[in-house]
Amino acid sequence: DAGITQSPRHKVTETGTPVTLRCHQTENHRYMYWYRQDPGHGLRLIHYSYGVKDTDKGEVSDGYSVSRSKTEDFLLTLESATSSQTSVYFCAISARQEVQETQYFGPGTRLLVL
Amino acid sequence: AQKVTQAQTEISVVEKEDVTLDCVYETRDTTYYLFWYKQPPSGELVFLIRRNSFDEQNEISGRYSWNFQKSTSSFNFTITASQVVDSAVYFCALSEGGGGADGLTFGKGTHLIIQP
Repeated sequence: DAGITQSPRHKVTETGTPVTLRCHQTENHRYMYWYRQDPGHGLRLIHYSYGVKDTDKGEVSDGYSVSRSKTEDFLLTLESATSSQTSVYFCAISARQEVQETQYFGPGTRLLVL
Repeated sequence: AQKVTQAQTEISVVEKEDVTLDCVYETRDTTYYLFWYKQPPSGELVFLIRRNSFDEQNEISGRYSWNFQKSTSSFNFTITASQVVDSAVYFCALSEGGGGADGLTFGKGTHLIIQP
């Protein structure tokens, strides 16, 4: 257990509404990530963060923004949700083991955009 | 750009059979990290193993073993004497540089079904 929680765990929203997903970690990890999982695509990186206020885009960042104002929280925002953003969203942290990093994942958030 | 291919979309075997899940990767970096994750029907992602590009030693953990071959860019995963609890989707993933802290590139996953 890497001490990662995600909220909400399930959400149904309508097209065009803003949505914010929260990832919270309790172990002061520097690196945090947001991925989405879709059938036939595996997991794809949306955004990641190397520290407070230090974020960067991943493979599928269009339509998403992130913020990290505190080490423990990494927020993912869909400014105007679309049906193509219906997905399962996973947050991850990177934990250092010996001299290498390993990513551990939160429980996921199921988002349905109608 | 990096890429991970898991050509087997779904594998079904009978309990106690051995099964190998294939993973082929592409990268231009000389330093990279390979991972396997398990996603059981409950949906969480469970870390199984990390291997860096400088360590080609195969690893065994109980009924699980991993074969890393740089010559063929493969990192295959074998379950010996499979059990119903092994039924899950298994993902192979790659991270380039950064000590492994860069984002992961995942394969599309292999759905493993173990029939009793």
